[in-house]
Amino acid sequence: GIQVEQSPPDLILQEGANSTLRCNFSDSVNNLQWFHQNPWGQLINLFYIPSGTKQNGRLSATTVATERYSLLYISSSQTTDSGVYFCAVDWGNQFYFGTGTSLTVIP
Amino acid sequence: DGGITQSPKYLFRKEGQNVTLSCEQNLNHDAMYWYRQDPGQGLRLIYYSQIVNDFQKGDIAEGYSVSREKKESFPLTVTSAQKNPTAFYLCASSIARGSPLHFGNGTRLTVT
Repeated sequence: GIQVEQSPPDLILQEGANSTLRCNFSDSVNNLQWFHQNPWGQLINLFYIPSGTKQNGRLSATTVATERYSLLYISSSQTTDSGVYFCAVDWGNQFYFGTGTSLTVIP
Repeated sequence: DGGITQSPKYLFRKEGQNVTLSCEQNLNHDAMYWYRQDPGQGLRLIYYSQIVNDFQKGDIAEGYSVSREKKESFPLTVTSAQKNPTAFYLCASSIARGSPLHFGNGTRLTVT
């Protein structure tokens, strides 16, 4: 099957700092999605980004499909950004999830 | 409001009992999915359905069963054959397979 690796596994930031989360995948994929899982377990769609760059407020994402990676940028982090960030890749007939990056933003 | 409703939020069962988790969506999506999440892990696919009366096994289907009699409903039964049923279960839907996934709020199942 496909391997989906996220880094770093854990990240602690001071409020206001910027960060970059990475998702590497081992094969060509049809699509890629980024999610934020809040402390209550709810998974929130951030980006659906098979290639290119998208921005939504303080968050942006870039996928370089030919090099098999995607980056999620968080600028001016807030405590509400805390949680786990997952990437999921559409490969074969399903989405495969990475193991996530756990982000803690401290005031 | 359109969305995906999972119930109950918390579920407790004794070992050896079957239990059914509910998932309903009013997004008019064709595809529905069940994922399992264990602590510190990503999500793993249990079953998915692309159309009514049809469903496919995911990577960890053993010990689970599903039905898709209506477009808006995709219940998951955790049977007594599932060796480690305690987990967080998430239901998702998408317009079609490969389209963006939308998730419900999950059901935390504890089996003792």
